[in-house]
Amino acid sequence: QLQLQESGPGLVKPSETLSLTCAVSGGSITITTFYWGWIRQPPGKGLEWIGSIYYTGSTYYNPSLKSRVTISVDTSKSQFSLRLTSVTAADTAVYYCARLQAVAGLIDYWGQGNLVTVSS
Amino acid sequence: DIVMTQSPDSLAVSLGERATINCKSSQSVLYSSNNKNYLAWYQQKPGQPPKLFIYWASTRESGVPDRFSGSGSGADFTLTISSLQAEDVAVYYCQQYYSTPITFGQGTRLEIK
Repeated sequence: QLQLQESGPGLVKPSETLSLTCAVSGGSITITTFYWGWIRQPPGKGLEWIGSIYYTGSTYYNPSLKSRVTISVDTSKSQFSLRLTSVTAADTAVYYCARLQAVAGLIDYWGQGNLVTVSS
Repeated sequence: DIVMTQSPDSLAVSLGERATINCKSSQSVLYSSNNKNYLAWYQQKPGQPPKLFIYWASTRESGVPDRFSGSGSGADFTLTISSLQAEDVAVYYCQQYYSTPITFGQGTRLEIK
């Protein structure tokens, strides 16, 4: 059974960089039919796709965040990572890592989520 | 970006009754080359990640009860629960995967009346 597990700090100061990692287990990160991505959900609000990465390193970002986002993959460690720079309180959210089908952006597996609060 | 708009924002239905949630996209999500609607529905319960329930607008994910059904095409879609059960209380989101950025509706909160 595929499992995705986010890790990273739960508190980040304004203007600093948010960094999260997603460990993939129970399946290969190099399967050609899937992308790996990040989605976030502010407390009590809806879902926002941040971006996705293929195991080769090809990335797709939400234009609304593109200037601040970097997603990378480390196939040797079976993990992928998110960096979001210059954070503000508006970036406070539960951050989910997920698997997306490559043919379409269906999200068929989700991590449990990591709440990141931006506060001084 | 394709904007997804759900209605209503919240819905209270009696146990055993029908629940209907609507989702409208700002442009068609029907891909003409394969005649597929790039529209999915997710269920999210408190403290949990969303769970894929329906894709291609009407295909149930494995394990999803058959009281859940999806319909619609183009830019108008519906999620129907034929006979509401207590375990169906959740927030439901529609999502388009026709184009990037992938976008979601604002969610519909379903409760028991």
